[in-house]
Amino acid sequence: QVQLVESGGGLVKPGGSLRLSCAASGFTFSDYYMSWIRQAPGKGLEWVSYISSSGSTIYYADSVKGRFTISRDNAKNSLYLQMSSLRAEDTAVYYCARDPSITIFPYYYMDVWGKGTTVTVSS
Amino acid sequence: QSALTQPASVSGSPGQSITISCTGTSSDVGSYNYVSWYQQHPGKAPKLMIYEVSNRPSGVSNRFSGSKSGNTASLTISGLQAEDEADYYCSSYTRSSTPYVFGTGTKVTVL
Repeated sequence: QVQLVESGGGLVKPGGSLRLSCAASGFTFSDYYMSWIRQAPGKGLEWVSYISSSGSTIYYADSVKGRFTISRDNAKNSLYLQMSSLRAEDTAVYYCARDPSITIFPYYYMDVWGKGTTVTVSS
Repeated sequence: QSALTQPASVSGSPGQSITISCTGTSSDVGSYNYVSWYQQHPGKAPKLMIYEVSNRPSGVSNRFSGSKSGNTASLTISGLQAEDEADYYCSSYTRSSTPYVFGTGTKVTVL
C-alpha cells in the first residue's frame, strides 16, 4: 500500500545538524512533488519545504530558508531534509507528505502523510 | 506569510452540524481554489478531508463538505459523531514567497 516512513529524528544541541529521511513505497515516487511539514509541541501545522518530482523546483518557508535543504533520490525512493544551525524553535514532529499531482505543476494539497519523526533541539 | 485564521474551538452535540471557518486574504483563499482541509487526531498524522475547496477524497464520509465565499473557506460536518472529535486545519496556496499556508487550527469537541 501507499506508505511514507520518516526516520532520523532525535535530540540535538542548538547549532547542531540533523538529516531526516522519508522512505516511500507503494507508488511511483519519481512522479510526485513531496513536502516536509512540521508541528511544534501543542502547536499547529507549519509547511517547511517542497521539492518537485525531478528536484528542479524547491521552495522553503522563510523560517528555515538558508538553514534547511530538501533533496530527493528517486532511485532510492527517498526524500531528505538536511537541517543545520538548529534552534529550539525547530523542535517539532516532522512529517513528509505527497502532493498528488503527476503533472509539472503541484496541486497544493497533501494526500498521503507519514507518521512523523520527532526532532528535539535542546542543550 | 501569516497563518490563515480559524476559530480555536467549535463544539456540537451528536447529530448536529457544525461549520469551521478559515479566513485568509486576496493573496490566498480569496484568489485560488487550492483550499484543503485536514483532520488530525491526537498523536496521529493529519488526514486529507477536502481538497480544492469542496472535493472529497475517496473514503471520506459525505458528512464532510467544503465551500468558499470571498476570502473565507468553510468546512461543514453534518451528523456530528464522536469520532469527528479532532483538530482540523485548513490550508491554501498563497502567492507570497512561500506557496503554502496552514490555518491556525480548530479543536472540534463532540458534547
